[in-house]
Amino acid sequence: AQTVTQSQPEMSVQEAETVTLSCTYDTSESDYYLFWYKQPPSRQMILVIRQEAYKQQNATENRFSVNFQKAAKSFSLKISDSQLGDAAMYFCAYRRYNQGGKLIFGQGTELSVKP
Amino acid sequence: NAGVTQTPKFQVLKTGQSMTLQCAQDMNHEYMSWYRQDPGMGLRLIHYSVGAGITDQGEVPNGYNVSRSTTEDFPLRLLSAAPSQTSVYFCASRTRRQNQETQYFGPGTRLLVL
Repeated sequence: AQTVTQSQPEMSVQEAETVTLSCTYDTSESDYYLFWYKQPPSRQMILVIRQEAYKQQNATENRFSVNFQKAAKSFSLKISDSQLGDAAMYFCAYRRYNQGGKLIFGQGTELSVKP
Repeated sequence: NAGVTQTPKFQVLKTGQSMTLQCAQDMNHEYMSWYRQDPGMGLRLIHYSVGAGITDQGEVPNGYNVSRSTTEDFPLRLLSAAPSQTSVYFCASRTRRQNQETQYFGPGTRLLVL
């Protein structure tokens, strides 16, 4: 069975600094997707970034980028120029290529941003 | 588009009571899912559906029933509520079209079982 592990329950970063959130996963599949979701206090789940396993290039979305290491089964999220609005719970998630609605989530990392 | 909507936002139940959590989407998405979120455990899949009339179990299905009679609606039924079902419940949907991988989540329903 596939599993997703986030080993950092809490992280803290100074405003304008860079922070990296870690995620590892376990799968025997070769085709899959990886996601980072943000959950602010409103509880709304917001997609931050996604990575297709077949793509070697790391995904980027503005200040958010990932370091995807397929062989190591590692998928970290880097947030540059951190802003107060980045404070939230962040979830790493995995989905097999042909399993439409079945996301497997990590335990989450709560990120606080200090002014 | 309203996106994914869930009702109610908050509910208190007594042990043994039954209720239905409603979920609807207006994006004509084929895939719909129910997750529960508990502290320290992330979101876990309860049930999911790949289209009207087709449902399957997820990771934690016990105590819950679902049906999908229309593309738009995917209600989650608690048959006999237990304190262990106290949680926040999220409904999600996405299209089956390739290269459109975003899963849209509803705002959640907070359930307290006494």
